[in-house]
Amino acid sequence: DGGITQSPKYLFRKEGQNVTLSCEQNLNHDAMYWYRQDPGQGLRLIYYSQIVNDFQKGDIAEGYSVSREKKESFPLTVTSAQKNPTAFYLCASSIRGDAYSYNEQFFGPGTRLTVL
Amino acid sequence: AQSVTQLGSHVSVSEGALVLLRCNYSSSVPPYLFWYVQYPNQGLQLLLKYTTGATLVKGINGFEAEFKKSETSFHLTKPSAHMSDAAEYFCAVSVTTSGTYKYIFGTGTRLKVLA
Repeated sequence: DGGITQSPKYLFRKEGQNVTLSCEQNLNHDAMYWYRQDPGQGLRLIYYSQIVNDFQKGDIAEGYSVSREKKESFPLTVTSAQKNPTAFYLCASSIRGDAYSYNEQFFGPGTRLTVL
Repeated sequence: AQSVTQLGSHVSVSEGALVLLRCNYSSSVPPYLFWYVQYPNQGLQLLLKYTTGATLVKGINGFEAEFKKSETSFHLTKPSAHMSDAAEYFCAVSVTTSGTYKYIFGTGTRLKVLA
């Protein structure tokens, strides 16, 4: 079955540590996205990538970093510079991310990050 | 600037009653509109989408939405609520900036279904 996998499902981090969240898709989609979800705030875009080896900052990129070395993989690193990282993180993909804005996004199951 | 407003962060309905979740958008160009559902601790699943053509859009699980340009609305409805409909629902609009597109999500409406 095609889809998006995220790991781990739950992640605990001590203050000052960097952590990396995994996102893998086998849908052969060009575009991938990372969102942060906080209660009552909906989804906010952290980073997105339209194509391999290219990515752009979203609305709340500070304290995060990404890479896109392979089409199917888009890992997110939460650095110690992110002051309030406790949240639910969602990875998504779409067939393409250019001007064809009617493409829906497919979401992974999410990773819940808690800072201790 | 494009935006999405969902009226009511929490909605409660009785099982078998009509479900109505409200979504209004602002957009300077014809929008593409989406409704997603999220069950606890899970990702989002597409319910339905409006791109062009028929303004009444049917989705999965008996949901439908009507695009009303004059009211800038895209409300989600279901004639008869089921207990399994309890979840959080997100309205989204896609926008194109600098040759790429991204979604703008509403803040979500949590639906509670009462037995």
